[in-house]
Amino acid sequence: GESVGLHLPTLSVQEGDNSIINCAYSNSASDYFIWYKQESGKGPQFIIDIRSNMDKRQGQRVTVLLNKTVKHLSLQIAATQPGDSAVYFCAESNSGGYQKVTFGTGTKLQVIP
Amino acid sequence: NAGVTQTPKFRVLKTGQSMTLLCAQDMNHEYMYWYRQDPGMGLRLIHYSVGEGTTAKGEVPDGYNVSRLKKQNFLLGLESAAPSQTSVYFCASSYSMSGTLYNEQFFGPGTRLTVL
Repeated sequence: GESVGLHLPTLSVQEGDNSIINCAYSNSASDYFIWYKQESGKGPQFIIDIRSNMDKRQGQRVTVLLNKTVKHLSLQIAATQPGDSAVYFCAESNSGGYQKVTFGTGTKLQVIP
Repeated sequence: NAGVTQTPKFRVLKTGQSMTLLCAQDMNHEYMYWYRQDPGMGLRLIHYSVGEGTTAKGEVPDGYNVSRLKKQNFLLGLESAAPSQTSVYFCASSYSMSGTLYNEQFFGPGTRLTVL
């Protein structure tokens, strides 16, 4: 079936370095992608999104890249801070029907002080 | 604004007991969702609602019922709890379900449920 997955379950990054979290998706009909951050004991929090008509979108310290050819997206966090430590989920959705969002299993980002 | 709130935060049930989880949002969102989150798995949709008085099944609806009597509230019920329903439950809401506008889902803090 269609699935959204993450390449690495855990990523350790030195404080101040850039972080890259990768995600693969398999549903070619997906046209909307979201990154969520989930801190321990809390609900997921929206970080940034991107539509399939874009290759790149930037936010504050975060950038999402979308490669539709290989069905891959990534989340880049610049100058990683201790507060960035969390689990990051990618998710995919499409415009048809109800907003069915398929979530990946998550990557845990650990920031080393 | 409080955003999305959930009660209770924690609950322990015995097999066969029933309970209701309450979700409330103050953002006037039309759409509300219930998810469960299990270790090693992504969030899975249990039920959702596209507006007051409406509900629909998601991916894993068995063993759960929902009601949306008021726009701001979405209730998730377990009629006869089973150990397989041990999980963290998240409620979410969004302005629109379409893929074109306002897709962001706002999540509550979660309810950790243990069924013995």
